[in-house]
Formats: sequence, C-alpha cells, structure tokens
Amino acid sequence: NAGVMQNPRHLVRRRGQEARLRCSPMKGHSHVYWYRQLPEEGLKFMVYLQKENIIDESGMPKERFSAEFPKEGPSILRIQQVVRGDSAAYFCASSPQGAAGNTIYFGEGSWLTVV
Amino acid sequence: AQSVTQLGSHVSVSEGALVLLRCNYSSSVPPYLFWYVQYPNQGLQLLLKYTSAATLVKGINGFEAEFKKSETSFHLTKPSAHMSDAAEYFCAVSERKTSYDKVIFGPGTSLSVIP
Repeated sequence: NAGVMQNPRHLVRRRGQEARLRCSPMKGHSHVYWYRQLPEEGLKFMVYLQKENIIDESGMPKERFSAEFPKEGPSILRIQQVVRGDSAAYFCASSPQGAAGNTIYFGEGSWLTVV
Repeated sequence: AQSVTQLGSHVSVSEGALVLLRCNYSSSVPPYLFWYVQYPNQGLQLLLKYTSAATLVKGINGFEAEFKKSETSFHLTKPSAHMSDAAEYFCAVSERKTSYDKVIFGPGTSLSVIP
C-alpha cells in the first residue's frame, strides 16, 4: 500500500529556471494539499486541490506559483522563474476526503535548492 | 482564523525523563487537533489526533496528549524519553471550512534527548 509519493526528492535549479514538483496521492485519495517548509520554520499551507479543481489557494504566492491536479496523473506544483527565496522543502499530503477530522498523510517531501 | 502556538522551539530532556511538549490553539469552534513528528529529511508522520471523543488521546511510540478546552491546550507527553524520540514535533489544528478542513501547523518544537 504505497503512501504519498513525491518526486523529485531533491531538485537544484538556477535562478530564473522553472521547478516542477510532482505528487501522487495515496490510493483512493482524491484530496491533495501542498505545504512549504522553510529552514527553521514550520509548515505553511499553500494550496488544496481535488481532482481538476483548486479548492483553496490562499497560501500560494500571487505570482510564479501554480498548482494542478488533473483527472489523470499526479498533482503538480509549478514554480516559474525561481529565486533563492524559493529554496525550501515542499510537502504534499493527501486525504480520502475533506471531511472533518480526517488525517492527512504526508509524502517524504521535495527539497528545492535555488543556486 | 484558527492558529497554533508551541511554547519552546527547542526542548532537551535526558533519556528516561518525562517529555512534555506544549501546544495551545485558538479556535472559535470545537477543533480537531493533531501531533505530527518529523525526522530529519523526512515527511511528517501522524502521532495522534483528537476528534472530540476521549480527551486523553493515546498515540504511537508511547506518546499521548490531553485536550483541555478550558486551557485551549493539547500538550504532548511521554513518560520516558528514548534516544529515538529526537525529532521535530508539530502540533496542528484543523480549520473548518464549509466542505473541507485545512490543517494549520504550529512552528514546531525540536526535541533533543541527552544520553
């Protein structure tokens, strides 16, 4: 029973390049969350998606960041024209449904380094 | 909006000693509360959660937490610390929306265990 799968685990990009982070939720889960963890900080909510829908993107920076969760395939977090401040660990989590109290299960994270 | 505070960004205990990690939340509605543990370079693993059943919640690895509404607290305890408990611990609250929950994390507490 595979858990939440994220790839790549580590990604290095030069300033101005694009970063694409992928997340496959647990089997049977249709709700995906993305969080960002900056060094020495906690997890900050970025976006919550269901299949083909963005439900809550209140934590997404207004520019350069986008997320999708297509009908087929993994969820993608895309960062365009990366800057040094984007260096962080990006965690994906999934849950079977968005109902109250459901546990969300985390992937191992994708560590982005911008040089 | 709901929020979480964790008193003490770093806690050190001796092996075999009591572990106490503090968490306070703010919420205008009955909350769902979680404790997650993060080992270096890994994702978050659920330790335990409170979903309005028993106020004393038992989790994995000998941890437990008690929900105290009057104090708006959900402190995590373990009677006897083990070296393998050294990790980052995050308290989280589930923020109710109309059709889903958004999980908000505290800043985390780093636990060190001294042999």
